[in-house]
Amino acid sequence: GAVVSQHPSWVICKSGTSVKIECRSLDFQATTMFWYRQFPKQSLMLMATSNEGSKATYEQGVEKDKFLINHASLTLSTLTVTSAHPEDSSFYICSARGGLGDVEQFFGPGTRLTVL
Amino acid sequence: GENVEQHPSTLSVQEGDSAVIKCTYSDSASNYFPWYKQELGKGPQLIIDIRSNVGEKKDQRIAVTLNKTAKHFSLHITETQPEDSAVYFCALGGGSNYKLTFGKGTLLTVNP
Repeated sequence: GAVVSQHPSWVICKSGTSVKIECRSLDFQATTMFWYRQFPKQSLMLMATSNEGSKATYEQGVEKDKFLINHASLTLSTLTVTSAHPEDSSFYICSARGGLGDVEQFFGPGTRLTVL
Repeated sequence: GENVEQHPSTLSVQEGDSAVIKCTYSDSASNYFPWYKQELGKGPQLIIDIRSNVGEKKDQRIAVTLNKTAKHFSLHITETQPEDSAVYFCALGGGSNYKLTFGKGTLLTVNP
């Protein structure tokens, strides 16, 4: 099956610093990658959709200047949380879909971000 | 936007029993209905999905049924095992942007 990896799996940072999370599709080319945030005991909330080579589309209420998304290649997307604060602490999960017409999303293992 | 209601929020069964989780939706344009299993501290794993042109799909102990008229779809797990214990999410898809809308999840506990 399609494999999506994330790095790092967990990160602890100080308030005010920036953190970058990588999402890679290992055995397929991802036309679209999605970034989700999940708080404890809650569902996944879509933050943004990114297509290779174009600007990300953010969901309502998600600050695009705070959550910078780059999708520079068909196998890599990055999410940078800028000037992180404790309320940004969450489980960040990416997913990827393949080519034209593919609807399945394959999820990464997630990144646990803790902001002190 | 799309809305999906998932029930129950928690489900506890004895090993060997069946488990059923149901999701209802309102947007008739939805045409993709996946189910995900999420274990603690991990990302969701696609376990089964169904398209709108199919009423039922089965994969070993797991099945999904879809009633487009009534706008609901269900996950059925038979002969449950302790390793089936996890949070299960239903989701809806169907737009040209390929976005998914997730249900709130069901915590399934299979007691040995």
